[in-house]
Amino acid sequence: AQKVTQAQTEISVVEKEDVTLDCVYETRDTTYYLFWYKQPPSGELVFLIRRNSFDEQNEISGRYSWNFQKSTSSFNFTITASQVVDSAVYFCALEGQGFSFIFGKGTRLLVKP
Amino acid sequence: AAGVIQSPRHLIKEKRETATLKCYPIPRHDTVYWYQQGPGQDPQFLISFYEKMQSDKGSIPDRFSAQQFSDYHSELNMSSLELGDSALYFCASSLGRGAVSNEQFFGPGTRLTVL
Repeated sequence: AQKVTQAQTEISVVEKEDVTLDCVYETRDTTYYLFWYKQPPSGELVFLIRRNSFDEQNEISGRYSWNFQKSTSSFNFTITASQVVDSAVYFCALEGQGFSFIFGKGTRLLVKP
Repeated sequence: AAGVIQSPRHLIKEKRETATLKCYPIPRHDTVYWYQQGPGQDPQFLISFYEKMQSDKGSIPDRFSAQQFSDYHSELNMSSLELGDSALYFCASSLGRGAVSNEQFFGPGTRLTVL
């Protein structure tokens, strides 16, 4: 079975704080892809990152960074120096069988000024 | 760059009516996916098409049907609408179905409200 778990339903931080969003996945596939999407209040899904199972290098993009650890089946997302504009729901997703996406339940991040 | 186009962006229907949602994939993309996202929920996969043939089926109700046309656009037809069908419907497209090449691009979504 394939599954994505985002245990944090909602996180609230004050601007400039660092915040980490957790994602744990389950899959029996040896080749798979993991994704993070941001969904602001306007509703669209904004692509953040795609990572394949063979690339465990951590990635940094501006204030965003991702930590992929196959040993713990985790693909965590950290926002450094959070800003109010980061407030959104963040989804972790796994490319499943048939190449459709299996999404986690999402983590709602609220960044207060 | 061209993105995935969905129309209409908003749709209001009455119970038991029908609705048709349209998706225009990125040019040259041959694969289309449909997802349904209920209020406060995560997107759920409904159905996908590759080269105009249904390639995978998820939690799509029998009242819904979909197809992909010769120009690769896709339509999701929903009949006998129920209140619970109110949701944001996303279409995504990709080039090919192989794991190496599959990067899905999501459209802006169609927000369906059933009254």
